Amino acid sequence: DAGVIQSPRHEVTEMGQEVTLRCKPISGHNSLFWYRQTMMRGLELLIYFNNNVPIDDSGMPEDRFSAKMPNASFSTLKIQPSEPRDSAVYFCASSSNYEQYFGPGTRLTVT
Amino acid sequence: AQSVTQLGSHVSVSEGALVLLRCNYSSSVPPYLFWYVQYPNQGLQLLLKYTSAATLVKGINGFEAEFKKSETSFHLTKPSAHMSDAAEYFCAVSDHNAGNMLTFGGGTRLMVKP
Repeated sequence: DAGVIQSPRHEVTEMGQEVTLRCKPISGHNSLFWYRQTMMRGLELLIYFNNNVPIDDSGMPEDRFSAKMPNASFSTLKIQPSEPRDSAVYFCASSSNYEQYFGPGTRLTVT
Repeated sequence: AQSVTQLGSHVSVSEGALVLLRCNYSSSVPPYLFWYVQYPNQGLQLLLKYTSAATLVKGINGFEAEFKKSETSFHLTKPSAHMSDAAEYFCAVSDHNAGNMLTFGGGTRLMVKP
C-alpha cells in the first residue's frame, strides 16, 4: 500500500489567494482526519470524517476553512482567502480501528 | 473527555543512555494508547500501541511502553539511546465515543548527545 498521499508537498502563495490541499487515504480506512501543525500551537485537529461524513469540525479555525470528502478515496481542505497566519504544515491521516496513519504533510507558506 | 499529558516538552540524553518519555492520560473508559514518532520534515509514524492485551508493549526501533492503570500512565522507554532516535514523540489516547479519533499530547522533543 502506498500509504496516505498528500499533494502538494509544498505550497507557497500570496495572501488572499485560494489554497486547496488534497489527500488520498489508505484504501479500506473509514475515517479521515485533517491536522495542522505549527511551532506555536503544536498539532491541532481541524476536522474528521467517518464514512465520508464530517463528524466534528470544531477545530476549523474560521469560515475561511472548508473540507470535503466526496468519496472514500479523496478529501480536500480549502482555505479561501488565505492569510499569513495560515502558514503551517497540514497533515491528513486515515484510520481503521483507532490506528491513524499520517501522510507526509503539505507545508503551506502564505506571504 | 480524554486528555493526555506529556511531562517535559524537551528531553536530552546521551547516546547509550536510558530514554524515558512520560505520558499520563485521563479516560472515562478503558483506553487504547499509542506512541507516535515524528522525524524532521515527516509525518507521524506509529511506534507502538496498547489495546487491552499485554500491558508491556514492544514497538519498533527497540522502544517499549508499559500500561499502568493504577498510575494512568503509559511511559515510553528505550534502554540505550541512539543518535537516530532524535525526534519528537507524541502520546495519544483513543476516544471510544468519537469513532477513530485520538487525543494527542503536546509532544516531547528528544535530543541525543554524542
